[in-house]
Amino acid sequence: EPEVTQTPSHQVTQMGQEVILRCVPISNHLYFYWYRQILGQKVEFLVSFYNNEISEKSEIFDDQFSVERPDGSNFTLKIRSTKLEDSAMYFCASGGRSSRGTDTQYFGPGTRLTVL
Amino acid sequence: KQEVTQIPAALSVPEGENLVLNCSFTDSAIYNLQWFRQDPGKGLTSLLLIQSSQREQTSGRLNASLDKSSGRSTLYIAASQPGDSATYLCAPPPGAGGTSYGKLTFGQGTILTVHP
Repeated sequence: EPEVTQTPSHQVTQMGQEVILRCVPISNHLYFYWYRQILGQKVEFLVSFYNNEISEKSEIFDDQFSVERPDGSNFTLKIRSTKLEDSAMYFCASGGRSSRGTDTQYFGPGTRLTVL
Repeated sequence: KQEVTQIPAALSVPEGENLVLNCSFTDSAIYNLQWFRQDPGKGLTSLLLIQSSQREQTSGRLNASLDKSSGRSTLYIAASQPGDSATYLCAPPPGAGGTSYGKLTFGQGTILTVHP
């Protein structure tokens, strides 16, 4: 069964450094998402991406964040200058073969980001 | 803005019991609602997607119901097993008003423990 994959599983970085989190969505999906979950808190939406552009983003997704689909398969989240409060589990999801992204979303296993 | 509440926050039961997990949401003009399972430190596994036109959706021992008018969904787990122990999350997208590309809003979840 197709699945969403994410690398690395755990990333440790120093405050102020740039990190890139990578995801390979399910191949025939059209909508891609990043969510994050700070330890002990709810899963929060960061950004959705459709037709090679951001379709929606949350207040969390400020200028320090960017997303890219550099080739036909990878979907990346870049944090330009990490802060301590960026420490969280970051989940990639894909779905939405139908219009408006209303199909089942499938989540990857997550990347745990630790900012020291 | 969609807000999600899940009750109870935690549930501990002996094996074999039938369970009811409740989810309420504030914006009832939704296309669908998705239920997920999250094991500790892991990603989200999609359990069921129930469309707004459906009242129920079943998968094995799981049955989800949706009452849009009251802003509620219920997940029934029949004959619970220790392997069902996990956090269960419900996630509706925003209501139909405005632009939405499937971003999900998550509740805090119900932490389920099933004892052998």
